Amino acid sequence: EADIYQTPRYLVIGTGKKITLECSQTMGHDKMYWYQQDPGMELHLIHYSYGVNSTEKGDLSSESTVSRIRTEHFPLTLESARPSHTSQYLCASSDLSNTLGGSLLREKLFFGSGTQLSVL
Amino acid sequence: EDQVTQSPEALRLQEGESSSLNCSYTVSGLRGLFWYRQDPGKGPEFLFTLYSAGEEKEKERLKATLTKKESFLHITAPKPEDSATYLCAVRPYSGAGSYQLTFGKGTKLSVIP
Repeated sequence: EADIYQTPRYLVIGTGKKITLECSQTMGHDKMYWYQQDPGMELHLIHYSYGVNSTEKGDLSSESTVSRIRTEHFPLTLESARPSHTSQYLCASSDLSNTLGGSLLREKLFFGSGTQLSVL
Repeated sequence: EDQVTQSPEALRLQEGESSSLNCSYTVSGLRGLFWYRQDPGKGPEFLFTLYSAGEEKEKERLKATLTKKESFLHITAPKPEDSATYLCAVRPYSGAGSYQLTFGKGTKLSVIP
C-alpha cells in the first residue's frame, strides 16, 4: 500500500503570495518527484531528487524550487505565485530495485492525490 | 525527441464490451513502458511495466502487450469500475541515472452499465 501524502488538496491564493506545497512519504523511498498536470494534458516532470540534499530540475521549466532535507519530505515552494502557475501538482516517490543482475531497473512510481492550485 | 501518443482520447463502452487502448511511442532506446490508471481527483496508480517486444502482463480484466512501436491495453468484459483515464509512459535510454518518464495525454475510458 502506497503511503504518500500531499497537502493541501486545494489551494486558492492571490497573485504574489509565497506558497509551499507539502509532500511526505512513509515508504523510505530515496527517489521523489514533482509533476505538473493540466486537464487533458501530459504529466510533466518539474523537479526530482535522488536522496537527501540532492535535487534536479525536470524537463519542464518551472519557477518553483524544492528541498530535500529529510528522506520522507519533499516540499515545493513558489516565491511569488502568478495565474500561470494554476495547475495540478502531483508528488511521487519510487521503489527502485535492481533485477537481472542490475541490468534492468524495475521502477514504479507511487503518486499522491495532488494539490490543485488556483492563483487569482 | 521522445514522444508518446495515446488513442483514442476518449472511449465509451457498454459493460461487457471488450476493446483496446493504444499507445504509440518514439524513443531513442526503450528502457521500459508503463501503464497507469488515474481516477478523477487522484494521482496515477501503477498498473504494468513492459520491457521488451512480445512481453505481456495481465491483471484482472486488463492485459498489456508491447511491440517495437506500440503498446496495447486490452480490456476484457469491462465493468463500470474500470472507468478512469489510462496513462502510458516510456523511459528512454539516456545514460546512467536517468529517471525521467515521458507521459502520453491518456485515454479517458467510460464504461456504461
